[in-house]
Amino acid sequence: ETGVTQTPRHLVMGMTNKKSLKCEQHLGHNAMYWYKQSAKKPLELMFVYNFKEQTENNSVPSRFSPECPNSSHLFLHLHTLQPEDSALYLCASSQEPGQVYNEQFFGPGTRLTVL
Amino acid sequence: DQQVKQNSPSLSVQEGRISILNCDYTNSMFDYFLWYKKYPAEGPTFLISISSIKDKNEDGRFTVFLNKSAKHLSLHIVPSQPGDSAVYFCAARLGTSYGKLTFGQGTILTVHP
Repeated sequence: ETGVTQTPRHLVMGMTNKKSLKCEQHLGHNAMYWYKQSAKKPLELMFVYNFKEQTENNSVPSRFSPECPNSSHLFLHLHTLQPEDSALYLCASSQEPGQVYNEQFFGPGTRLTVL
Repeated sequence: DQQVKQNSPSLSVQEGRISILNCDYTNSMFDYFLWYKKYPAEGPTFLISISSIKDKNEDGRFTVFLNKSAKHLSLHIVPSQPGDSAVYFCAARLGTSYGKLTFGQGTILTVHP
């Protein structure tokens, strides 16, 4: 596996379900990110992890719970979601965010539908 | 309030001609700008970037121009190819934001053979 991978690619869940999205990066990066892309809206940053520590929470509701056990893996735990949470969820990774040239590399995303 | 805007939702260009994608921003503290390309069912792919201390950066067919006084950047693709058809996002970073990128809404580029 190379780059940034995400599983599952598609997920349909009910509002009472609990599910998790998984992201893995094979680039040796130290920072990982969760983004949300809703229809006709820009990508919105949700969380930033640097060396496994959360450094940014962009006012995300608590029904989204991130977990970063190590620099290569990132999870987004979902519970009691709402239909308006249906979106494309993208994971990205980069070298340390504080570096001057800090390109982020994205995974293919998980298309989430909440019924 | 959207700090990074791509006012053209779509652009159609003939193969071999120049494609110019535009992006405007409002925050003068942004210090680094990036362009990403996205194909359907794939994540965004980094294309080219520019630091605020420069006004031009070139990489093959892709050139990014930055006009700080106008708070405007543009991506030029010359010559355009059908494989360039994708959604293009511009993004900007605040020097103090520790990795946080602010994205525009994207522009759909279609290059016709």
